[in-house]
Amino acid sequence: DSGVTQTPKHLITATGQRVTLRCSPRSGDLSVYWYQQSLDQGLQFLIQYYNGEERAKGNILERFSAQQFPDLHSELNLSSLELGDSALYFCASSVGERREPKNIQYFGAGTRLSVL
Amino acid sequence: AQTVTQSQPEMSVQEAETVTLSCTYDTSESDYYLFWYKQPPSRQMILVIRQEAYKQQNATENRFSVNFQKAAKSFSLKISDSQLGDAAMYFCAYRSSQGGSEKLVFGKGTKLTVNP
Repeated sequence: DSGVTQTPKHLITATGQRVTLRCSPRSGDLSVYWYQQSLDQGLQFLIQYYNGEERAKGNILERFSAQQFPDLHSELNLSSLELGDSALYFCASSVGERREPKNIQYFGAGTRLSVL
Repeated sequence: AQTVTQSQPEMSVQEAETVTLSCTYDTSESDYYLFWYKQPPSRQMILVIRQEAYKQQNATENRFSVNFQKAAKSFSLKISDSQLGDAAMYFCAYRSSQGGSEKLVFGKGTKLTVNP
């Protein structure tokens, strides 16, 4: 068990809908990362938050947004869903110190999103 | 931008034998971190081993070791005494140590099959 909790494990929804994925980081970790894993794109970084503030954005669509709350849990919101958004969405957490070799990212079990 | 290439989509090994998974990367930075993650059928991303680029000594974790060739930008993973539980997707990942995000850049992965 990595200590990172993601809910729900599975999500099935229809095109055009909006969903929220939730992530609770490991105790003490300040950084949360979101990744998308799909067959055609592989594992891609979406966005990172550090202690409530956005630190970096990757290949995240404008229809997607995220936030990190004061208790450090994070939510990824996906709206106007399309078939191509079907993927495994991972959350990872780390202490968030840039030059710290021990700044290892620990991954949650992922949320499998199916858009029908 | 940094890129990571895993040239072997699939590999197989006999139980108790040794297998090496290849990874090359492209970067202009001199200081960075490299990782191997394992993704078994359960989908969980599990850290196998990590290497700091400023360290010349190759990292080792029990049956897992790396061959880090900084000049060649190569980072291969050797699994000794392969076990059935080693069967999984293996992903090589790069992380910058400089300003900006601590995001991971992943290769496409290598599927390892362990034959009894």
